[in-house]
Amino acid sequence: QTVVTQEPSFSVSPGGTVTLTCGLSSGSVSTSYYPSWYQQTPGQAPRTLIYNTNTRSSGVPDRFSGSILGNKAALTITGAQADDESDFYCVLYMGSGIWMFGGGTKLTVL
Amino acid sequence: QVQLVESGGGVVQPGRSLRVSCAASGFTFNNYPIHWVRQAPGKGLEWVALISYDGSNKYYADSVKGRFTISRDNSKNTLYLQMNSLRVEDTAVYYCARAEVHYFDYWGQGTLVTVSS
Repeated sequence: QTVVTQEPSFSVSPGGTVTLTCGLSSGSVSTSYYPSWYQQTPGQAPRTLIYNTNTRSSGVPDRFSGSILGNKAALTITGAQADDESDFYCVLYMGSGIWMFGGGTKLTVL
Repeated sequence: QVQLVESGGGVVQPGRSLRVSCAASGFTFNNYPIHWVRQAPGKGLEWVALISYDGSNKYYADSVKGRFTISRDNSKNTLYLQMNSLRVEDTAVYYCARAEVHYFDYWGQGTLVTVSS
C-alpha cells in the first residue's frame, strides 16, 4: 500500500528558511497529484496554505511557497516566524476520487 | 462568509452506530463536493470520504469502506456521515471540508467521536 511520506519533525531558527517535503513510498510526486499543504495548530482546524503544487491560498503570506523538488512536493518557508510553529500536512490526489494525507511534520521555531 | 459547522459527535460503544452532520452556509452548497477528514487524538489527518455536488458519486478510504456512508441533503445544505460498526480506532475529531478543484479550501471546526466501552 502506497504511503505519503513527510518528515516527522523539523526545526528552524527565527528568520531562517526551511523546506518540508512530501513524497511517496513508491514512485514520484508530480503536479498530477495536485499536492496541497495545510497548517494546523493544536486544537484548531487545518488552514489551507498551498494548492495545485504552488498556488497560495487567499491571505497566505508569500513567505510560504510550494514546488516540486526532485521526486517530492515541497513547502518552503522563508523568514520563519515564531507563529509558524505548528504541524504541516500535505495531501495528494491519488485518482478515482481518492485522497491521501501525509503523516505531518511538526515544525519547531527556535 | 463560508461556514461549515459539524455536530452529532459523542461517546458510543464499539459496534454501535452514530451519524454526524455538517451544516453549510455562506456559499451555494449544491455547487460543491464535500469531504470528511478525521484526526485521531494526537495523530495526523486522515481522509475519510468525498461526495460529489449532487450526491451521485461517493468515494471512501479503505479503512471505512463498507462501514461508513457519506450523504448530503442539498435542500437543507447539510452533509452527513453515517458510521456503523464503530471501532475504537474510529475515535477522532471529524472535520468536513469543502472541495475546490483538487484541494480542500474551507474547513469546519470538527466534532469529536469517541468509541469506547
